[in-house]
Amino acid sequence: DGGITQSPKYLFRKEGQNVTLSCEQNLNHDAMYWYRQDPGQGLRLIYYSQIVNDFQKGDIAEGYSVSREKKESFPLTVTSAQKNPTAFYLCASSMLGNNEQFFGPGTRLTVL
Amino acid sequence: AQSVSQHNHHVILSEAASLELGCNYSYGGTVNLFWYVQYPGQHLQLLLKYFSGDPLVKGIKGFEAEFIKSKFSFNLRKPSVQWSDTAEYFCAVNAYNQGGKLIFGQGTELSVKP
Repeated sequence: DGGITQSPKYLFRKEGQNVTLSCEQNLNHDAMYWYRQDPGQGLRLIYYSQIVNDFQKGDIAEGYSVSREKKESFPLTVTSAQKNPTAFYLCASSMLGNNEQFFGPGTRLTVL
Repeated sequence: AQSVSQHNHHVILSEAASLELGCNYSYGGTVNLFWYVQYPGQHLQLLLKYFSGDPLVKGIKGFEAEFIKSKFSFNLRKPSVQWSDTAEYFCAVNAYNQGGKLIFGQGTELSVKP
């Protein structure tokens, strides 16, 4: 079954802790993306990667970090420097040259 | 900076009513346009897309959208909505020189009353 998996579905962390969200895809897509979804603000791009070992900042990268060591995986770390980390995080992937993105089920992060 | 604006935050309709959701973008060059839908508890999924050609595009579940270049608009329409269309709808734009990056609108929540 091809698709994008994100884990966990719900995540709770204490303020000041770093947390890493997982994203894996088996669609053989080159490009992967991380978005943050907040009510009334749509989706905002955090980071994206078009090739292994390379990634670019999106519109709201501050307080986040990523890695792309494997084509299938694009984990996102929410650091303690992110001022408002509580949100719904969506991972997506696409083929290079094709802008249609496929989305995972999301991880809802709550920082207490 | 490029932006996408969806005019309606929350739309409430009765079943069989017609739907039109507005989407405008601010980029003067070549664009690819998308409408995504997020049903309650489900993944965000593609409803329809426009890359080139006929500006009237048809998507899944009876939805269609019209690209009007002169108005920088890509409005979503459906002649007769159903209760199962209750969802949040997002317009997104990819600018030709921005690689695969999508800029999303704020989203429109559609509630259809049975």
